[in-house]
Amino acid sequence: DTEVTQTPKHLVMGMTNKKSLKCEQHMGHRAMYWYKQKAKKPPELMFVYSYEKLSINESVPSRFSPECPNSSLLNLHLHALQPEDSALYLCASSQEGGHNSPLHFGNGTRLTVT
Amino acid sequence: GQNIDQPTEMTATEGAIVQINCTYQTSGFNGLFWYQQHAGEAPTFLSYNVLDGLEEKGRFSSFLSRSKGYSYLLLKELQMKDSASYLCAVRRDSNYQLIWGAGTKLIIKP
Repeated sequence: DTEVTQTPKHLVMGMTNKKSLKCEQHMGHRAMYWYKQKAKKPPELMFVYSYEKLSINESVPSRFSPECPNSSLLNLHLHALQPEDSALYLCASSQEGGHNSPLHFGNGTRLTVT
Repeated sequence: GQNIDQPTEMTATEGAIVQINCTYQTSGFNGLFWYQQHAGEAPTFLSYNVLDGLEEKGRFSSFLSRSKGYSYLLLKELQMKDSASYLCAVRRDSNYQLIWGAGTKLIIKP
């Protein structure tokens, strides 16, 4: 069982909808990530939070808005998405400052934009 | 530029041994990770190498040669459940960003 929990598992939304993806971890990790993954492609980094502050934004369009309410929670707010944004959205966490600290991924949210 | 190469697909037989290679050219090196990803699931961490040599974990081993920009993942006593994609990822420096290979799809046949 994964120690990073993501909800919902599946989401279908229209281009005018507003929805949120949620992620939770209780491993005491201080770095949390959002990745996007298309079929048969590696994960693409979107955002990194370190100690609840946004440290990396990989030039992600503003229709994706991350939020880190506390050290255990990470949200991704979605608004006015495009069909090409359909993908698997993965949350991950790692220990802060540990160079050999692996990413622990959640099971992802399969997003379909219609 | 940053580049990681892995074979796209490999096929092996149940009970056998398979080696998945990964070569990298990056500006900086601070460790190499191997992840396993079953179709439709999240990647799971398999191994980490930062120094040259072999790291063994049960049926899985990973090797690194920094001078050659080369790593491999060795899977022994293959089982059907090992059918998955195997992703190689390099951490260039002390920040959080990983450079990912495209992944190797491993097909295990009975």
